[in-house]
Parts: sequence; C-alpha cells; structure tokens
Amino acid sequence: QKEVEQDPGPLSVPEGAIVSLNCTYSNSAFQYFMWYRQYSRKGPELLMYTYSSGNKEDGRFTAQVDKSSKYISLFIRDSQPSDSATYLCAMKGTSGTYKYIFGTGTRLKVLA
Amino acid sequence: KAGVTQTPRYLIKTRGQQVTLSCSPISGHRSVSWYQQTPGQGLQFLFEYFSETQRNKGNFPGRFSGRQFSNSRSEMNVSTLELGDSALYLCASSLEVLGTQYFGPGTRLTVT
Repeated sequence: QKEVEQDPGPLSVPEGAIVSLNCTYSNSAFQYFMWYRQYSRKGPELLMYTYSSGNKEDGRFTAQVDKSSKYISLFIRDSQPSDSATYLCAMKGTSGTYKYIFGTGTRLKVLA
Repeated sequence: KAGVTQTPRYLIKTRGQQVTLSCSPISGHRSVSWYQQTPGQGLQFLFEYFSETQRNKGNFPGRFSGRQFSNSRSEMNVSTLELGDSALYLCASSLEVLGTQYFGPGTRLTVT
C-alpha cells in the first residue's frame, strides 16, 4: 500500500463548478500538508500549506485536513479553464518519519 | 526574487552515457532536493543537500549522485544511463532541511 493515495483522474468539470480533490494517507506521523499545481511541462507550484487539522482558505482555494480520517482535500470554487492542471498533494512528518512524500497527482480539466 | 533555475531544460542521451544536471536555488535557500518524475511513479525523492552535505536520501541506486557547492548551487549526476532513467528531473529549494519546497521547471531527460 502506498503511503499517499491520490486518484489520477482525469477529472473533467464545466467552468464555474466547485472542484474537490482528495488524498488519503496511512502514516499518522504526517503533520504538514501541501497542495501543488503543475501545468504541463512545468515544475510544481505551491498552492496551499497547512499544519495539522483544520481548514485554510486562499481566494478560490480551500485546503482541508482531517487527521482522524487521514484525509485531505483541496476545493476550488468558480473553477476556470486556467485551473486545468495536475494537482499534487504532499505531506511531511516530523519525529520518526521526517520525510517529504507526494501523491501521484490528479489531472483536472475545466471545460469552457 | 528569482525562482529556482535548472539547466539544461532538455537532454537526449544514449544508454550507457552519463549526465550532469544543474540547479540554482532561490537566493537565501540553503537546501536543495532532487526528484524524479515519471507518469507511472509520480514524484520520487532522490536526495537532499544542505550546507554541502547530503541530509536525506531516497531509494535510488548508487548511479544517482549529487553534490552541493558553497553557494548552494547543486548538481546531480546519473552514470551508466538506462532507458528507465528517462524522466523529468526536478530540483526544489527550501530554507531549511525538508522545508517547504519550491520547484524549478525541471530537466527533461530522454535516454535512447
């Protein structure tokens, strides 16, 4: 079993839709959770960074962490064609499991 | 502030050859991490350097090596190239060991 699981998609939605992207993980030592966006032929770009459980909002993006369920989500409101990209979750632990691990990414297509 | 830069952006090599990739981190960042990205495996951590010392290492064979210079610039070397080494190689810089990662555009290596 992989430490981080992420549905590869592709996920196709109409412009203006609310998008929900998710990752599950198995290691309870993870405490820092990130979402990256990667456009084709580019490097990943950091979108959101959260520590421990709870929600964090930045413009149209909301990151949610549920440590009890080992489940993280990224919501995109009013999705735009320019949001079409691959979204990678990432997480990091501290004591014992001090490493950085990425999901394989979900490909999102927002249709105009 | 300038971002992470990587050179070259594209490389084509023949099986058995060796290759050196270069990464310049964001100014002030002292940690440089290297990742291999392939469609099937996603982002795989290679190693991390901080203050010219390797601090973390992933599960790659010894053909993959790296180093960091006093100005924090880093190089990655792959010897005896195999077809399976074809991938996007990403460099990420951060302020501290396993800190928030900021990625460069990557070097796309094709081994024929």
